[in-house]
Amino acid sequence: AQSVAQPEDQVNVAEGNPLTVKCTYSVSGNPYLFWYVQYPNRGLQFLLKYITGDNLVKGSYGFEAEFNKSQTSFHLKKPSALVSDSALYFCALYYGNNRLAFGKGNQVVVIP
Amino acid sequence: KAGVTQTPRYLIKTRGQQVTLSCSPISGHRSVSWYQQTPGQGLQFLFEYFSETQRNKGNFPGRFSGRQFSNSRSEMNVSTLELGDSALYLCASSFLAGGPYEQYFGPGTRLTVT
Repeated sequence: AQSVAQPEDQVNVAEGNPLTVKCTYSVSGNPYLFWYVQYPNRGLQFLLKYITGDNLVKGSYGFEAEFNKSQTSFHLKKPSALVSDSALYFCALYYGNNRLAFGKGNQVVVIP
Repeated sequence: KAGVTQTPRYLIKTRGQQVTLSCSPISGHRSVSWYQQTPGQGLQFLFEYFSETQRNKGNFPGRFSGRQFSNSRSEMNVSTLELGDSALYLCASSFLAGGPYEQYFGPGTRLTVT
């Protein structure tokens, strides 16, 4: 069965510092991975996805993610965090017919 | 283009009642998926529709049902509401189906069952 794990509940980072949000996955077959962000009282916004090819994927708002097949990971990164990046971040795994399996989510708090 | 819209945004119902939630996808999108978001279970897939056909359903009881209309708008219905049905219900649309395409989410309907 397919699954996604986000091991940390909350990530605290100082404004201007690098931000990393961790995600590991389990799937038989090729992994198709996504990152979404959710702001309070809002739906999920697409950040980026990995389908195939380059292991470093660039997305919206300065975010990027590194796919590592040997470690079955897909960590989200941003070189310099902004206070406005404070939100809930979800890693998701596609498993056919437009279905996504989501991780539990990580609350990111960027401290001014 | 307008985004995915969901109505109503907030809903309060009593246990035992039924509720219908509506989702209008982005114009031209033919696939609509529904997810339930709760603090305890996180985001869970409910069902997906494409061209008026339900292609998949998640692990939810038969009280949860849905449909899609010819204009791709979708509704989901929950009958005999239970307290545990309190959640944020999110709808997502996608232009294509059958592949790992981006899904665009609406703001959700916050359902509270008392």
